[in-house]
Amino acid sequence: EADIYQTPRYLVIGTGKKITLECSQTMGHDKMYWYQQDPGMELHLIHYSYGVNSTEKGDLSSESTVSRIRTEHFPLTLESARPSHTSQYLCASSDLRGQVDTEAFFGQGTRLTVV
Amino acid sequence: KNQVEQSPQSLIILEGKNCTLQCNYTVSPFSNLRWYKQDTGRGPVSLTIMTFSENTKSNGRYTATLDADTKQSSLHITASQLSDSASYICVVSDRGSTLGRLYFGRGTQLTVWP
Repeated sequence: EADIYQTPRYLVIGTGKKITLECSQTMGHDKMYWYQQDPGMELHLIHYSYGVNSTEKGDLSSESTVSRIRTEHFPLTLESARPSHTSQYLCASSDLRGQVDTEAFFGQGTRLTVV
Repeated sequence: KNQVEQSPQSLIILEGKNCTLQCNYTVSPFSNLRWYKQDTGRGPVSLTIMTFSENTKSNGRYTATLDADTKQSSLHITASQLSDSASYICVVSDRGSTLGRLYFGRGTQLTVWP
């Protein structure tokens, strides 16, 4: 059982609201990731982090921002949600041994709907 | 361009039957390849992970193979069960200067009928 948690599991909010999706892991992993996934489609990397105070943008352009103040915590924030942000957001973490990623563990995901 | 292609896109089989899912990749330099199972509305769960030197790995009824020369992998499911209905995702990690990136296939949607 992976020790990575996302909250909330489901969120329905109105356009223009600010939201923060939470992701925490208790495995002490250095690397953490945020992916966006639409139904039936592949996962797209939107943000990742190598460790505390490290954040990088992924392949898919996103209006969201992330922070990594603590190793175990990697929240994602949308300052002003829009219907185009409706999607599933998945958080993952992995350990670095040398330059090789170990297995990536995923959270259960947050299903976001912006109305 | 680093890519991961999976086939078939979807597959329907009867309970108890076997099936094989395919994954071709162009990721270089190669680090490892993983197969994940993703139930609808849930996060992916790892089934197997293989490095360059491994060509077969089993996890219960799941057996993954890897041919690093042809850059192909397969996932064989034996004696399928209804609970095997899910999306199976092939993920390849590189050993690049960015300290390893994960490249995802689109997945094969497997449906097992009773």
